[in-house]
Amino acid sequence: AQSVTQPDIHITVSEGASLELRCNYSYGATPYLFWYVQSPGQGLQLLLKYFSGDTLVQGIKGFEAEFKRSQSSFNLRKPSVHWSDAAEYFCAVYNTGFQKLVFGTGTRLLVSP
Amino acid sequence: NAGVTQTPKFRILKIGQSMTLQCTQDMNHNYMYWYRQDPGMGLKLIYYSVGAGITDKGEVPNGYNVSRSTTEDFPLRLELAAPSQTSVYFCASSYSDPTGGRGAFFGQGTRLTVV
Repeated sequence: AQSVTQPDIHITVSEGASLELRCNYSYGATPYLFWYVQSPGQGLQLLLKYFSGDTLVQGIKGFEAEFKRSQSSFNLRKPSVHWSDAAEYFCAVYNTGFQKLVFGTGTRLLVSP
Repeated sequence: NAGVTQTPKFRILKIGQSMTLQCTQDMNHNYMYWYRQDPGMGLKLIYYSVGAGITDKGEVPNGYNVSRSTTEDFPLRLELAAPSQTSVYFCASSYSDPTGGRGAFFGQGTRLTVV
């Protein structure tokens, strides 16, 4: 069954520093992969998605993610974090058979001054 | 655009009571979903619908029911509320499956506590 693993529950990054959030997926074929962000008290917002083609995907708010088939990973990156990036981030894979998004458990990003 | 609107935002229920969580979207999306979010567990799919009159179970459907009489509305019904249903509930919609276009849009959530 398709699944995603986010190994980091919490990450703290200094404002202005770079960020990388990890995501590993389990899927037999080429996966449909997503990163969502959830700000406090809000619903989820799509940051970016990957289906095929260029393995480096650009998203909103200055985020990017790189698909690495050899490592079964889809890590999210940002070169310089802003205090407003503090939120919870979810990686997800689309299960085509059951027509549903399967979410990871999330990584909470804290930004220190 | 209002997007996906959920009501209420907060609710406390007593064990055994029932209630309906409302969800409406104004984007003419065909697909609608209900998720629950528990701490450290990510989001789990309860029910989904690919169009008016069509609903199907997700991963955790027990204790819930849904209906989809119109494209816009997708209410979630809790019968005989139990403490295990304490959670944050999210409704989402997408034009087609979430791989297309801008993916799935989420509401702001309903925080439900069953005591």
